[in-house]
Amino acid sequence: GAVVSQHPSWVICKSGTSVKIECRSLDFQATTMFWYRQFPKQSLMLMATSNEGSKATYEQGVEKDKFLINHASLTLSTLTVTSAHPEDSSFYICSARDPRGHSGNTIYFGEGSWLTVV
Amino acid sequence: TQLLEQSPQFLSIQEGENLTVYCNSSSVFSSLQWYRQEPGEGPVLLVTVVTGGEVKKLKRLTFQFGDARKDSSLHITAAQPGDTGLYLCAGEVGFGNEKLTFGTGTRLTIIP
Repeated sequence: GAVVSQHPSWVICKSGTSVKIECRSLDFQATTMFWYRQFPKQSLMLMATSNEGSKATYEQGVEKDKFLINHASLTLSTLTVTSAHPEDSSFYICSARDPRGHSGNTIYFGEGSWLTVV
Repeated sequence: TQLLEQSPQFLSIQEGENLTVYCNSSSVFSSLQWYRQEPGEGPVLLVTVVTGGEVKKLKRLTFQFGDARKDSSLHITAAQPGDTGLYLCAGEVGFGNEKLTFGTGTRLTIIP
């Protein structure tokens, strides 16, 4: 079963509204989670590193005021797309590293969340 | 920014044929991972290589990490329709909580 889960799997919102996507680590605690964005037929682009209890670290070119990241607990990170526009429509994926020794620091990815802004 | 270029970008071959996908960079990575992604799903880890020159096999898939840890290859023997998908390499600089840099991706289609 999934060890990193995202919700919702897909969401449609109106232009100008905000939408929140959750990323949960189910079997382990993750001090660091990562948010990626993927356009159709393209690779994953890292948006930001979510740090538990502190501010997220954003990649160059990613607007931190538009893509709000909150990592309030060791098992949950949220990505809020504020004032969404059609160009924000994309597949958003999170990942988390399992720090437990037997997993060998394996990185697990969520199932992804499709966002469509109309 | 470390860039990972994959080639080919698209590959469509007949069932039973062999193929190789390449992942190249000018940067050195502490580890390199290969993922396969189905449409509408997150990437699924296939293998992690950490040692220069390392070769790992996963059934019909053979992964190799370059001696200088700048490049990697994925070879599939006797491809099957179930191998169809987007293959992504991803490199990690440093160890521990480092972020992954994904390659440009190779979309593989196996024709029955």
